[in-house]
Amino acid sequence: DGGITQSPKYLFRKEGQNVTLSCEQNLNHDAMYWYRQDPGQGLRLIYYSQIVNDFQKGDIAEGYSVSREKKESFPLTVTSAQKNPTAFYLCASSTSGLAGSYNEQFFGPGTRLTVL
Amino acid sequence: AQSVAQPEDQVNVAEGNPLTVKCTYSVSGNPYLFWYVQYPNRGLQFLLKYITGDNLVKGSYGFEAEFNKSQTSFHLKKPSALVSDSALYFCAVRDRIYNQGGKLIFGQGTELSVKP
Repeated sequence: DGGITQSPKYLFRKEGQNVTLSCEQNLNHDAMYWYRQDPGQGLRLIYYSQIVNDFQKGDIAEGYSVSREKKESFPLTVTSAQKNPTAFYLCASSTSGLAGSYNEQFFGPGTRLTVL
Repeated sequence: AQSVAQPEDQVNVAEGNPLTVKCTYSVSGNPYLFWYVQYPNRGLQFLLKYITGDNLVKGSYGFEAEFNKSQTSFHLKKPSALVSDSALYFCAVRDRIYNQGGKLIFGQGTELSVKP
């Protein structure tokens, strides 16, 4: 099956801990994205990557970090600097992240992070 | 600045009746427009998109949307609602030229409830 997988489905973090959320795609997409979803606020972009070994900050990057060492993988680390990390995190990918691209984004099933 | 507004937090419809979920947008150039649906604790599923051409776009599960440039709107419609259509619906926009990495701007979402 082609698609995007995210793991774990549920994640609990203690205060002061860093945690890493996994995102893998086998769609051969160049572009990958991380969004945060909070009730009533829609989706907000954390980081995005248009190509391997390159990534850019989105609208709410503070307290998060990413890497893009492989085309298929775009892990997100939620650091202790993120003061309110409890949220639903969604990973997405698209064939192209270039300006002018009209391709839709495909989403993974999400990871629900809770801070204890 | 690019933005999307979904003016209704919730829409209630009786099964078999037509439904409309409203969306208005603001971009500096010409838009690409998208609708997604989200079921509880799941990722987003792509429904349809407007690129160019015919203002009426048909998508998955019997949904359609009408692009209205003068009113900067892209309302989602379905002639006959099903209970299984109950979900959270997101409108999203991308400026054709002025965007970063294929970035999508999402509305805050509209909860659709279809009662038997």
